[in-house]
Amino acid sequence: EAGVVQSPRYKIIEKKQPVAFWCNPISGHNTLYWYRQNLGQGPELLIRYENEEAVDDSQLPKDRFSAERLKGVDSTLKIQPAELGDSAVYLCASSLTWSAPAKHVEAFFGQGTRLTVV
Amino acid sequence: DQQVKQNSPSLSVQEGRISILNCDYTNSMFDYFLWYKKYPAEGPTFLISISSIKDKNEDGRFTVFLNKSAKHLSLHIVPSQPGDSAVYFCAAEAGGTSYGKLTFGQGTILTVHP
Repeated sequence: EAGVVQSPRYKIIEKKQPVAFWCNPISGHNTLYWYRQNLGQGPELLIRYENEEAVDDSQLPKDRFSAERLKGVDSTLKIQPAELGDSAVYLCASSLTWSAPAKHVEAFFGQGTRLTVV
Repeated sequence: DQQVKQNSPSLSVQEGRISILNCDYTNSMFDYFLWYKKYPAEGPTFLISISSIKDKNEDGRFTVFLNKSAKHLSLHIVPSQPGDSAVYFCAAEAGGTSYGKLTFGQGTILTVHP
């Protein structure tokens, strides 16, 4: 079974340019997450989708970041314009949808996209 | 506000010995804790987890201990193997409708020497 697929793996752009990342989750996983991992830190959640609905985007910097999951499967994360501080690894993850009485659902991560803004 | 902390940036251990990785948290709402392992140029992969109703969970060479009163958990790897060399992240989740919203620590780089 294919895991979470992300592209591109690496991206180098100049500041003020736009950039987009793409994610294809594991088949059957209705929940999709975007995390950002800064150098030397753990991943931080940016946005979580249930199907095509963003149910938690409280950590997404909405002035320059946007995300979409139009058909409830693939997702795109966009930055426009990019700043030097946006250099990080952007991780996509997916999971089954939680429902009671389950305590937890396991999230599976993709390999990430390493963004360098110069 | 770092709600999950891994205070040791790195740990070096001899093959065959025990590796102990530590993690502290501050948010009392966390009720599920996970350890992820990450190799270079790969995404984190799930290793082991523990619910707040337990104080120990074991899976082969990996054991996670939870001390709720101290808000502390640890991962024990016995015996350590060179293939265990990776970055280990502790993560916590509040559960319920907050599922999947993992709060990660900064990570600990484990190096196991042959």
